[in-house]
Amino acid sequence: TQLLEQSPQFLSIQEGENLTVYCNSSSVFSSLQWYRQEPGEGPVLLVTVVTGGEVKKLKRLTFQFGDARKDSSLHITAAQPGDTGLYLCAGVMDTGRRALTFGSGTRLQVQP
Amino acid sequence: GAVVSQHPSWVICKSGTSVKIECRSLDFQATTMFWYRQFPKQSLMLMATSNEGSKATYEQGVEKDKFLINHASLTLSTLTVTSAHPEDSSFYICSARDPFSYGYTFGSGTRLTVV
Repeated sequence: TQLLEQSPQFLSIQEGENLTVYCNSSSVFSSLQWYRQEPGEGPVLLVTVVTGGEVKKLKRLTFQFGDARKDSSLHITAAQPGDTGLYLCAGVMDTGRRALTFGSGTRLQVQP
Repeated sequence: GAVVSQHPSWVICKSGTSVKIECRSLDFQATTMFWYRQFPKQSLMLMATSNEGSKATYEQGVEKDKFLINHASLTLSTLTVTSAHPEDSSFYICSARDPFSYGYTFGSGTRLTVV
């Protein structure tokens, strides 16, 4: 059972479209990160959110942390082919466990 | 930012042999490192937490005797896959807490293929 469920699992869109990826859990996280991973490489950190209700913007990417710190979303505006990749949410649980728990992943493909 | 270097990037070995993967923190000291495994088109699954100067903590279902972890210094953790079999073929990634941010930094991963 995946502690962090991401949806959708796969998304194929045209350049210029908007999209939202969701990351949901029944557990509380003290912080949550979003990563992007290219094939054959390690994940690269995009953002960290730590406060319930927090919204962070990174150019065309908007990240939101749920009020109860159990869920998060990533919204991409005007997607570009360079956004193609595997997007992973990952969190540090509120139990004191230090390791990251990863979501199931969303594979995004942006067609030119 | 914090940098973690992982070697080798890829390795092919024969069934029954052992393979060592190194993970080094280049610009910071890491008392704890994490080892993940990733199968094709899947997410990362935590295998174990490596602690400097003490035994690693393994996740449920991960064989301690097969995946030997050593964290002998504050900048180096190693994962040795012993008596490798084809089902051990996977992408292995190490990670450490980034001391300069709230996030974690990851190595570039090691693609292990056992033939």
